Amino acid sequence: DTEVTQTPKHLVMGMTNKKSLKCEQHMGHRAMYWYKQKAKKPPELMFVYSYEKLSINESVPSRFSPECPNSSLLNLHLHALQPEDSALYLCASSQEEGLGGYTFGSGTRLTVV
Amino acid sequence: AQTVTQSQPEMSVQEAETVTLSCTYDTSESNYYLFWYKQPPSRQMILVIRQEAYKQQNATENRFSVNFQKAAKSFSLKISDSQLGDTAMYFCAFTPPRNSGGSNYKLTFGKGTLLTVNP
Repeated sequence: DTEVTQTPKHLVMGMTNKKSLKCEQHMGHRAMYWYKQKAKKPPELMFVYSYEKLSINESVPSRFSPECPNSSLLNLHLHALQPEDSALYLCASSQEEGLGGYTFGSGTRLTVV
Repeated sequence: AQTVTQSQPEMSVQEAETVTLSCTYDTSESNYYLFWYKQPPSRQMILVIRQEAYKQQNATENRFSVNFQKAAKSFSLKISDSQLGDTAMYFCAFTPPRNSGGSNYKLTFGKGTLLTVNP
């Protein structure tokens, strides 16, 4: 298995909703990442988990809450989002943090209404 | 801080022809990794090719090859025999090696080049 699987592929949520994005990989990678990507822009790093511990938080607002329950799974919990949070959310993994060759998922297209 | 510059926001090429996408970067590191990623309309970021800075030989992957000029800090991507399926946004990216210390080994992306392959 050489994939990163993200669910759901599309999500529409209201500003008062609570939802979660899920990311899974079975490549034995020990680093996992959340990126946010706006249309026609490069991905922007949000969070890095290394060996299931939060390694980097790029000053992301607290309405985004990451969680790494085990080495294969990464979640992003969403609460009280704003319309400007609408974007493509990409998950990625790598053998270890900073060890090149990131594998990306197909992303979750999030729309906040 | 590392920066990656892609000076061509958009490019187009005829099917079966060759096209070169440019990328320059700035870093004080002596060793690092460089990547080209492709993002088609399907949204998935796909690794096209990877280059390790300490390797002199330019990386190649089927129709994709790079021209890595370390002194000039240039890392261009050549696509030969362009195919319609090559239509995508292409991102150049950089990361220093893990042992460079601190938390500066993040993947830094350029702004991307939108490539359209015309029939």
